[in-house]
Amino acid sequence: NAGVTQTPKFQVLKTGQSMTLQCAQDMNHEYMSWYRQDPGMGLRLIHYSVGAGITDQGEVPNGYNVSRSTTEDFPLRLLSAAPSQTSVYFCASSWEGEGSPLHFGNGTRLTVT
Amino acid sequence: KQEVTQIPAALSVPEGENLVLNCSFTDSAIYNLQWFRQDPGKGLTSLLLIQSSQREQTSGRLNASLDKSSGRSTLYIAASQPGDSATYLCAVSSGSQGNLIFGKGTKLSVKP
Repeated sequence: NAGVTQTPKFQVLKTGQSMTLQCAQDMNHEYMSWYRQDPGMGLRLIHYSVGAGITDQGEVPNGYNVSRSTTEDFPLRLLSAAPSQTSVYFCASSWEGEGSPLHFGNGTRLTVT
Repeated sequence: KQEVTQIPAALSVPEGENLVLNCSFTDSAIYNLQWFRQDPGKGLTSLLLIQSSQREQTSGRLNASLDKSSGRSTLYIAASQPGDSATYLCAVSSGSQGNLIFGKGTKLSVKP
């Protein structure tokens, strides 16, 4: 049981490049989400999904796309990277329900130059 | 808009002390409150979850309390150890979809 797996761990992009951050979970969780963590700003929600085929925007969705074709996978796509997207990105998942804690991956550290 | 505040931002204590970390939130209509631990360069690990109808949860040396009416939660750590050194984050959920609003954390350092 690997939990929430994120790849890559580190990535450097040039401004304007695109890339996909991968996230997979093996706990059959319905809910998955992406957060970014920035110094002084804390963790902020980018996009989330409550099941395959269902996605919605969080607090800071601009510049990012998501899709959820399977229960297990929830990739985050950066369409045209900008220096403001330099951050640490975390994927998380949980069961739906009041008593379900959120499980986090180990993060992807992204630098955009 | 829900806001979560954690005080203090940093705390340094000698080993063996009991300590309290504070979390406050502005909207009392929460679904649950969760405390996480984050080690440098790592993801977040869930420590305790308190549902809206509960007042406290305990796990080992950790005890978290929730007072919805006053918008406050505390995380009590008994007999602190150097291995407890980490950043502790508080987060609240306002609905069943699982979205959390996070505080900025308290960075705890326990000195041997």
